[in-house]
Amino acid sequence: AQRVTQPEKLLSVFKGAPVELKCNYSYSGSPELFWYVQYSRQRLQLLLRHISRESIKGFTADLNKGETSFHLKKPFAQEEDSAMYYCALRNRDDKIIFGKGTRLHILP
Amino acid sequence: IAGITQAPTSQILAAGRRMTLRCTQDMRHNAMYWYRQDLGLGLRLIHYSNTAGTTGKGEVPDGYSVSRANTDDFPLTLASAVPSQTSVYFCASSDIPSSYNEQFFGPGTRLTVL
Repeated sequence: AQRVTQPEKLLSVFKGAPVELKCNYSYSGSPELFWYVQYSRQRLQLLLRHISRESIKGFTADLNKGETSFHLKKPFAQEEDSAMYYCALRNRDDKIIFGKGTRLHILP
Repeated sequence: IAGITQAPTSQILAAGRRMTLRCTQDMRHNAMYWYRQDLGLGLRLIHYSNTAGTTGKGEVPDGYSVSRANTDDFPLTLASAVPSQTSVYFCASSDIPSSYNEQFFGPGTRLTVL
């Protein structure tokens, strides 16, 4: 079964503290994984993808095939990071399967 | 360049009424998608189209229909709206085949069915 699991509906973190948004996936074969973000009153947009191995807005995510995880991390949270974050997987049919999302709330 | 536009921005609709949500993209993307976003359920795919003239069913297609007469437009129709179709609807597009397959999203339509 193809599935993306985000175990936390809501994550509250103090400004300056490290952030980790968890994502686990179930997929046979080599997955292609993404993180999408939706800031308040803005449209959903791509944050980063695992194949690029990039750091965007201080966020990174490493694909761990052994643990089937793709957790999103940032060492020091900023207030502007408050948003809804979706982990997503692209399947062989070129469809994107989204997790249920985690709302990140940065506390001042 | 507008990217993807959706109309209307929001709508309140009586149950049983017919409603068409519009989606237009100017990026000449092959593929287009309709999702609904519900609290606690995330984004769920309703219908998709890989190219003009073809459509397919997603995860939650019942009660919805789509058409893809040309590359730019992908309207979503609720033939007879029900309260469970109250949601925020997002249209998206992507250029496939693509090694990145990034999906670009519209601003959403907030639909309330009473």
